[in-house]
Amino acid sequence: EAQVTQNPRYLITVTGKKLTVTCSQNMNHEYMSWYRQDPGLGLRQIYYSMNVEVTDKGDVPEGYKVSRKEKRNFPLILESPSPNQTSLYFCASSLYPYSNQPQHFGDGTRLSIL
Amino acid sequence: KNEVEQSPQNLTAQEGEFITINCSYSVGISALHWLQQHPGGGIVSLFMLSSGKKKHGRLIATINIQEKHSSLHITASHPRDSAVYICAVRRDNYGQNFVFGPGTRLSVLP
Repeated sequence: EAQVTQNPRYLITVTGKKLTVTCSQNMNHEYMSWYRQDPGLGLRQIYYSMNVEVTDKGDVPEGYKVSRKEKRNFPLILESPSPNQTSLYFCASSLYPYSNQPQHFGDGTRLSIL
Repeated sequence: KNEVEQSPQNLTAQEGEFITINCSYSVGISALHWLQQHPGGGIVSLFMLSSGKKKHGRLIATINIQEKHSSLHITASHPRDSAVYICAVRRDNYGQNFVFGPGTRLSVLP
């Protein structure tokens, strides 16, 4: 089944403790992206990747890192999480960055940073 | 002013009604994306379009590039259509990154 898989689905952690949210897709998609969703602010793009080893900042990249060492995986790294990164995170992928192929979204990861 | 705006913010309809949700944007775009987010939080892609009109089942999406406006129509609405509908535009810069509207919350009553 074609899907985008995020892990974990839920995480409660403390300020400063490094964490990684994994994202994997099995559709051989070139484009992958991370978004966060906050009440009153909606969805905002954090980072995206147009292909392996090509990543770029979205609108809210501060405090996050990403890497794209292989096509299927696009982990989101919070080196020193802070409470303002408490949010609902979505990973998404699409076939090509410039096509009109729609994005496929993961189920979301709810992060709480205390 | 937000780059992407949607109207209405909230919408309540009776089952069977024809529904229209509007999206307007102020930046240059290469495509526009309509998404559906259900109460459980999952996001489903409905349409990605850069011109004209697309139809899938009871859903129709249109875009007018000159007027910087798109509409999502739902014909013969059903309670299972109750969700938040989100418009997103893909900027026409090198990075082709996405900017999202605030969403329209739709409730369809039986």
